[in-house]
Parts: sequence; structure tokens; C-alpha cells
Amino acid sequence: DADVTQTPRNRITKTGKRIMLECSQTKGHDRMYWYRQDPGLGLRLIYYSFDVKDINKGEISDGYSVSRQAQAKFSLSLESAIPNQTALYFCATSDTGTSGTGELFFGEGSRLTVL
Amino acid sequence: EDQVTQSPEALRLQEGESSSLNCSYTVSGLRGLFWYRQDPGKGPEFLFTLYSAGEEKEKERLKATLTKKESFLHITAPKPEDSATYLCAVRVSGSARQLTFGSGTQLTVLP
Repeated sequence: DADVTQTPRNRITKTGKRIMLECSQTKGHDRMYWYRQDPGLGLRLIYYSFDVKDINKGEISDGYSVSRQAQAKFSLSLESAIPNQTALYFCATSDTGTSGTGELFFGEGSRLTVL
Repeated sequence: EDQVTQSPEALRLQEGESSSLNCSYTVSGLRGLFWYRQDPGKGPEFLFTLYSAGEEKEKERLKATLTKKESFLHITAPKPEDSATYLCAVRVSGSARQLTFGSGTQLTVLP
């Protein structure tokens, strides 16, 4: 089983619908992240959390919200999806002790299409 | 504004044909430069961290180097299994340890 699991892996939805992407990890890491990947734009940070009580906005948080339900679970919500939120979404984790190395552990991604 | 630019966008090599990928950056206060590999349909996988100009790291056929303005990922005698997208990222002072990624170089190694 993967250390960082994202569900669903693929989702097609319509404009205006509420969508939740879920992430769970078995690595025991305290830090969790949500990134968005678009062709030609690289990975951009949406939200990050350093522990259960800590939530921070990233570079492109508008239109998104997150919830850290437990150390191992971090979910991303689109309250009212719009077509330009069509992208590949990645959850990642890191450990506070090794955060200086820049090593993030990524899930396999959730491809979201908003029609 | 911090910027990370990777070139070329795509590179096709014959097996055994060595080459280099470039990551140039314009940031205030570099605190680390990182290389990742991403296979199709997968999340990025960490390769290297470089902290200061002159530093080098190696792993199998890959060697990463760092100057004050750019980093190179040298690929020596590549094999088809080295085909992937290679991403670089930087961390800058005051960024709460967050990474800024480049858009990647898609490498294809032909047998």
C-alpha cells in the first residue's frame, strides 16, 4: 500500500458542485500539503498544515478550503467548483525533523475535471 | 518576485547520450535547491538537496550541481528508464520552509 493515499484518483464534476479530495498517510509525518499541477506552470502550493491545529494558506488558496481531521488525514474542498480548477492535485507530507532537506513525499495524484 | 525557470521544456536523447538539464533561479536568499523526478501518472519523487554554490550531489547516472544563479542536472550515459519529468524547486528565506517549483523538463531516452 502507498504511504500517501489520495482519493478519488479521478473525478469529473460540473460547475458549481462541491468536491472533496482526501489524503491519508501512514508515514507518521506531522506536515501535510496540497499542491496543484498544471501544464507549463509546475506545482503550486494551495494549503499546508504543520500539525492538526495549524492550517496555512499557500500561493493559490482562493476557492479552496482544507481540513486536518487527524495527523494522518488532510482533505481539500472546492466549495463551488469552476472549470479553471481542472488540474492534477497532489497531497504531500514531510517530517519536521527532516524538513530542512526539502524532501516531500507525494501521493499519486487526483485528477479533477470540472465541466 | 522569486522565479524558477527550467530549460529545455523537453529533451530527447539516445541511450548513452549524456546531457544536462538547467534550472535557473532569481530569488532573494536561497535556502536550498531541490531536484525531483516525476514519472507519468505518479507523484514527484525526491532526488537531491543542494544548499550552497559549488555543492554537488550524485546518484547513479545523475549529478546535480549548484552555482549562485543556476543548477544543472547532468545525466551521464542515460538509459530508457531515466525517462521522466525532472522538477527543480527552491526554498527562500522567510518562506516558512515552503518550496517554489519550476515547470519541469520532460526527458525521453530512446533505446
